[in-house]
Amino acid sequence: AQTVTQSQPEMSVQEAETVTLSCTYDTSESDYYLFWYKQPPSRQMILVIRQEAYKQQNATENRFSVNFQKAAKSFSLKISDSQLGDAAMYFCATFGNEKLTFGTGTRLTIIP
Amino acid sequence: GAVVSQHPSRVICKSGTSVKIECRSLDFQATTMFWYRQFPKQSLMLMATSNEGSKATYEQGVEKDKFLINHASLTLSTLTVTSAHPEDSSFYICSARPRGTDTQYFGPGTRLTVL
Repeated sequence: AQTVTQSQPEMSVQEAETVTLSCTYDTSESDYYLFWYKQPPSRQMILVIRQEAYKQQNATENRFSVNFQKAAKSFSLKISDSQLGDAAMYFCATFGNEKLTFGTGTRLTIIP
Repeated sequence: GAVVSQHPSRVICKSGTSVKIECRSLDFQATTMFWYRQFPKQSLMLMATSNEGSKATYEQGVEKDKFLINHASLTLSTLTVTSAHPEDSSFYICSARPRGTDTQYFGPGTRLTVL
């Protein structure tokens, strides 16, 4: 079984600043993957970043990076140089046993 | 690359009728497709996993006779909501996983309203 917890229902950040979204998870799988997806008002789910659990190196994708702490089962997302287009719901998810399990999401607001 | 389409994007139907939603992977083959349901301001809930050429695997609590899933080819899966009722009104999202990968790519979703 997998569970994903996002403890911040809402976050806001000033444009051009940095923000970190928290995520913790629990899984019984030994081989799993972690994802962050964003869902803008259009409701299209967009892959932001992906992390393989067996890799110690934190994934980065342009302005997006993760802090993966496997022992603590923590997978936070850092967004640098925040832009207005980053405003969205952000969902953390784990993939294991052929299933993707989502957290409850964090709504990110960008303040101009 | 990795584009998934869904059709229709929005549908309104009368109670008791059936509605079919199509999910297509446009530029890759997907041996596995997934169907999710999302209520307003909530997360995505997995309804079923669809494998090409075999029966779908439904999550606990999802009625397989009500939500018929067919994965007829490596690029197409369909969800049919049979005898729809107002409580079936929701946002339905599909995703597809390219062969040999662990990443799911999502369609734009279908908003179903049952009157």
